Amino acid sequence: GAGVSQSPRYKVAKRGQDVALRCDPISGHVSLFWYQQALGQGPEFLTYFQNEAQLDKSGLPSDRFFAERPEGSVSTLKIQRTQQEDSAVYLCASSLRQGALNTEAFFGQGTRLTVV
Amino acid sequence: DAKTTQPPSMDCAEGRAANLPCNHSTISGNEYVYWYRQIHSQGPQYIIHGLKNNETNEMASLIITEDRKSSTLILPHATLRDTAVYYCIVRVGNYGGSQGNLIFGKGTKLSVKP
Repeated sequence: GAGVSQSPRYKVAKRGQDVALRCDPISGHVSLFWYQQALGQGPEFLTYFQNEAQLDKSGLPSDRFFAERPEGSVSTLKIQRTQQEDSAVYLCASSLRQGALNTEAFFGQGTRLTVV
Repeated sequence: DAKTTQPPSMDCAEGRAANLPCNHSTISGNEYVYWYRQIHSQGPQYIIHGLKNNETNEMASLIITEDRKSSTLILPHATLRDTAVYYCIVRVGNYGGSQGNLIFGKGTKLSVKP
């Protein structure tokens, strides 16, 4: 498809388990963002990639969170030793250009993570 | 923190215009106003953006006040499928690495009623 694809759509993890969430951005999109959305809240920024370079990871809540985009296309968000407070929807977005203010971002449907 | 203020909820009758306000009194001269919406269980969807002139596209119109401290998103003929949370976002300018990062607030939950 032509949109941003995220997998899995739903993930249930036991507390302490490691998880990996995948994002396939729109082909050719330079910028890629990860957001975390808790129930009833707006999305909150986690990290940003420009091609393969992670230029901002200021939103990652702890060192248990790690993201990569090794070839500048697919990205993976990894959460180690999951905790209940990690339960949220994780959204990925991509946009065509970097540094251009008038660029819209396209979002995937998200991965709903539930830690039990 | 989000740089915008929106009412938490609004109702609109189907077929009527929905006018969603947003205050952004601290907006900088090179920052754009963006609107996204999020329908239940989906990712946010881009609607429209503007700098200082009013803008219109197939989805909506954006009216920005002359001082740029507030704006209104207008859905001219709301349908039931427009029920969603609408986010007004001031686009962060080029700084550091997160060029173009979107900072969401809590948005306005618009309920379109038959």
